Amino acid sequence: DGGITQSPKYLFRKEGQNVTLSCEQNLNHDAMYWYRQDPGQGLRLIYYSQIVNDFQKGDIAEGYSVSREKKESFPLTVTSAQKNPTAFYLCASSMELSWQSNQPQHFGDGTRLSIL
Amino acid sequence: GNSVTQMEGPVTLSEEAFLTINCTYTATGYPSLFWYVQYPGEGLQLLLKATKADDKGSNKGFEATYRKETTSFHLEKGSVQVSDSAVYFCALTGGSYIPTFGRGTSLIVHP
Repeated sequence: DGGITQSPKYLFRKEGQNVTLSCEQNLNHDAMYWYRQDPGQGLRLIYYSQIVNDFQKGDIAEGYSVSREKKESFPLTVTSAQKNPTAFYLCASSMELSWQSNQPQHFGDGTRLSIL
Repeated sequence: GNSVTQMEGPVTLSEEAFLTINCTYTATGYPSLFWYVQYPGEGLQLLLKATKADDKGSNKGFEATYRKETTSFHLEKGSVQVSDSAVYFCALTGGSYIPTFGRGTSLIVHP
């Protein structure tokens, strides 16, 4: 079955440490996204990518970095510059990223990041 | 820019009650509209969608009709179950490169 796999499910970060969240999809989707979700809140877009080797900042990119070296993979690094990283992180993909897209997004099951 | 407004939650109902979750939007052009559901500790799942005016999306007893004249896409279900307890997100695509989500509405169904 095609889908999106996020790992790990739970992650703990020490002060001053960078951590990387994995996101892999086998849906052959061009577009991929990272969202942050805080308790009782909606989704906030961190980064998105339309194609391999290209990505754009979302609304809250500060303290985060991404790469898109392969179509299937879009890892997110939470750097030590992100002072409040405790949240639920969701990766998503869609067939395309276009001005007139009518395609839904597919989501992974998320990674919960906490501070030690 | 695009925006989606959902009713504030939580919505608390007894089992077998009728459900309505309101969603209104602003967008340029002709967006496509979606409802997603998020169960505790999980990602979002597509519940239903509609891609043009007057389309009705339906799935698992849930329905929503794309109303261009009122820019609305309200979610309804005739008889909710405890297992429907979740957070529901209204979203749209089109007129922007990025999908736009509402803030989510929590539904709690009591036996």
